[in-house]
Amino acid sequence: DIQLTQSPSSLSASVGDRVTVTCRASQTISNYLNWYQQKLGKAPKLLIYAASNLQSGVPSRFSGSGSGTDFTLTISSLQPEDFATYYCQQSYSTWTFGQGTKVEIK
Amino acid sequence: QVRLQESGPGLVKPSETLSLTCTVSGGSISNYYWSWIRQPPGKGLEWIGHIYYSGSTNYNPSLKSRVTISIDTSKNQFSLKLSSVTAADTALYHCARVHTSGWVDSWGQGTLVTVSS
Repeated sequence: DIQLTQSPSSLSASVGDRVTVTCRASQTISNYLNWYQQKLGKAPKLLIYAASNLQSGVPSRFSGSGSGTDFTLTISSLQPEDFATYYCQQSYSTWTFGQGTKVEIK
Repeated sequence: QVRLQESGPGLVKPSETLSLTCTVSGGSISNYYWSWIRQPPGKGLEWIGHIYYSGSTNYNPSLKSRVTISIDTSKNQFSLKLSSVTAADTALYHCARVHTSGWVDSWGQGTLVTVSS
């Protein structure tokens, strides 16, 4: 199985901060990497697909980058509604998810 | 806008079989992959498996021996069976629609299944 390791596991940030979450794959996965946001008690929501493509309706402050084994999700200016847990997911082979990164209010 | 709704028992006894159904509305079940994904309370997401509308399946190797996913295109439904359950199978079970390129673009809200005697 391909392991996905997210860092950090949690972070505290303020509204307006630039936030970066990383996802590292245990082997190369090209750009088969997607990002989801999950708020408490809700289903996950797709933010970024194929490493860098913004899902329709997702604010442009979200962006994704990377290829191979190292990927990044960036929130350019954190908004109150962005406090949530973020997961990466690979579809290069048998699907796996990262363990999640919880973004909390500082 | 496609909608997915999970249904099934919320309580299953250890060693028995967990059975859930996902009903798809607002769109056709054809030409997509459909998936089950679970989330133990307070923990992360675990992919269980996919089924294509044609019936071909792909399962998580760690669950493969206990999982069966099936589809009924006439009813716009697909189903999950997980046998020989233990407390470790207690989770929120989501059904989901999978884009052919490998991401989930629609999720059901999830149904909590507790394994307990």
